[in-house]
Amino acid sequence: GAVVSQHPSRVICKSGTSVKIECRSLDFQATTMFWYRQFPKQSLMLMATSNEGSKATYEQGVEKDKFLINHASLTLSTLTVTSAHPEDSSFYICSARHTGHPYEQYFGPGTRLTVT
Amino acid sequence: LAKTTQPISMDSYEGQEVNITCSHNNIATNDYITWYQQFPSQGPRFIIQGYKTKVTNEVASLFIPADRKSSTLSLPRVSLSDTAVYYCLVGDIYNNDMRFGAGTRLTVKP
Repeated sequence: GAVVSQHPSRVICKSGTSVKIECRSLDFQATTMFWYRQFPKQSLMLMATSNEGSKATYEQGVEKDKFLINHASLTLSTLTVTSAHPEDSSFYICSARHTGHPYEQYFGPGTRLTVT
Repeated sequence: LAKTTQPISMDSYEGQEVNITCSHNNIATNDYITWYQQFPSQGPRFIIQGYKTKVTNEVASLFIPADRKSSTLSLPRVSLSDTAVYYCLVGDIYNNDMRFGAGTRLTVKP
């Protein structure tokens, strides 16, 4: 089956630093990838939609200058949390839509970010 | 966007069939219905997807009535490992508007 990986699986950083999270589709091409954030005991909240080769579309209330998204290839999207603060601590999950089968969307295992 | 409503939680026992119903009264013509399972600290896992009537795969069945205003995920003979949160998503898969609702926390007891 289609596999999406995320790296790192967990990261701890100091307040004010930036953190980059990678999302890769391992065995399929993904024109569109999505980034979600999930706080404990809550549902997933869509942050942004990224399309290969173009700018990401951010959901209302998500700061595009703080959460930088790059989708440079059909298998890789990155989310950079800039100047991280403790309130950015969360579980970040990406998903990728199979280019050849748009009704198939696969999720990564998530990245646990802790900002101290 | 079709908003979904699911029960917040459900309890069941091992070996029982579990049916989780999702209401989506404002579902649009192009919307599909997709169900995901999520364990703690993991990404969601695809369970099943459908547009109308009944869909069955190796893990679940999805029942969608003719008016498509609701759908029911059926899990046959659940086990302890089926304890998870189940999400019903409704959206136009071609226009990238899939949103997660609150989900249903299923607890399977021995």
